[in-house]
Amino acid sequence: GAGVSQSPSNKVTEKGKDVELRCDPISGHTALYWYRQSLGQGLEFLIYFQGNSAPDKSGLPSDRFSAERTGGSVSTLTIQRTQQEDSAVYLCASSPGGGYTFGSGTRLTVV
Amino acid sequence: DQQVKQNSPSLSVQEGRISILNCDYTNSMFDYFLWYKKYPAEGPTFLISISSIKDKNEDGRFTVFLNKSAKHLSLHIVPSQPGDSAVYFCAASAGPGNTGKLIFGQGTTLQVKP
Repeated sequence: GAGVSQSPSNKVTEKGKDVELRCDPISGHTALYWYRQSLGQGLEFLIYFQGNSAPDKSGLPSDRFSAERTGGSVSTLTIQRTQQEDSAVYLCASSPGGGYTFGSGTRLTVV
Repeated sequence: DQQVKQNSPSLSVQEGRISILNCDYTNSMFDYFLWYKKYPAEGPTFLISISSIKDKNEDGRFTVFLNKSAKHLSLHIVPSQPGDSAVYFCAASAGPGNTGKLIFGQGTTLQVKP
């Protein structure tokens, strides 16, 4: 597709369950980023993949959060044992090396 | 530690008037700054950027000003239009240039009244 695709667009999960969020970046974009936006907050950096380099995980809030990027393309953000404070919009962006294109996000609600 | 700050959560202006959105940063190593616009249920979209070697960049109705000594940038929209109503995020690139992760401010919700 022409843009960054994220799925699902909405996810409601029970506290304690694991969730997986998917991001399909723009083909050929070497960099991929995950951010989240909690209610009333700005965009919080989570993790950054650049080519074959080790990812920058410095923004992951706890060890319950992990992400992988397979084959330099699709990325999955996994949140284990979800908590209510994990409720947010999770945004993925990709870049060819300068300038981001964001997806529409996944709205995660933990009940 | 909030490295990029937008201290005004909201701004309301009349159609046709100027909108001025402000942003402050603390890290003097930042050398590239961007503004993004976000509508509800959509991802942020790039609006305009500026490199630290400049103090002004203009694109149509949008102008970004950078004051490095004050670590302050602003976005001017003139004339403002109702379609400009959105959340505006200021961001700084951890660089170099326009690469790497972006550090975002909290956003300012702009409402342009007809």
